[in-house]
Amino acid sequence: DAKTTQPNSMESNEEEPVHLPCNHSTISGTDYIHWYRQLPSQGPEYVIHGLTSNVNNRMASLAIAEDRKSSTLILHRATLRDAAVYYCILRSYTGTASKLTFGTGTRLQVTL
Amino acid sequence: EPEVTQTPSHQVTQMGQEVILRCVPISNHLYFYWYRQILGQKVEFLVSFYNNEISEKSEIFDDQFSVERPDGSNFTLKIRSTKLEDSAMYFCASSEARGRSYGYTFGSGTRLTVV
Repeated sequence: DAKTTQPNSMESNEEEPVHLPCNHSTISGTDYIHWYRQLPSQGPEYVIHGLTSNVNNRMASLAIAEDRKSSTLILHRATLRDAAVYYCILRSYTGTASKLTFGTGTRLQVTL
Repeated sequence: EPEVTQTPSHQVTQMGQEVILRCVPISNHLYFYWYRQILGQKVEFLVSFYNNEISEKSEIFDDQFSVERPDGSNFTLKIRSTKLEDSAMYFCASSEARGRSYGYTFGSGTRLTVV
């Protein structure tokens, strides 16, 4: 899987929007962009994924740059429960295409 | 919402003992995975499993590790002779398909402590 770069940590106030950036300048045309998060003492949790167009679901929105070299996960109103490590992962086409490769992610701290 | 269930939540074992970690994936999912996370480190891929056979494994998944789907619902990870460095959180995951456009559902993990 191609490499992604994320800030080590970010802070947000509760009930404010949060924009979590991810750079993936070596992304190929067929790579999907996935986001997972890991709450303290929990397993990773799927958040959202996309290919080219912006995506929305009940948890978050994913904004993908036109050249696809970067993306942003948007939490519209952060809550204390959103404090977690957020992972941006590229999923490439391979013969197996079966594994996720986790980096160190962005640790999001949410304060009152 | 469907869940991946892992048992036990915490297991303590003596070095050299065999352990079996158990998982119940989501019922209509076809692909199953084990990951581990040593305290303070990244989540690492161990193995993927489909159609009753291993489809991919990492360097970590050596001869001491094995996986099995003994019936239609359980998926197990066995460590034959545990070492101190096997102490970690072990996460089971499943997915409906293996393609790039599918997400995984992870369980809450089993904390394995080898003493």
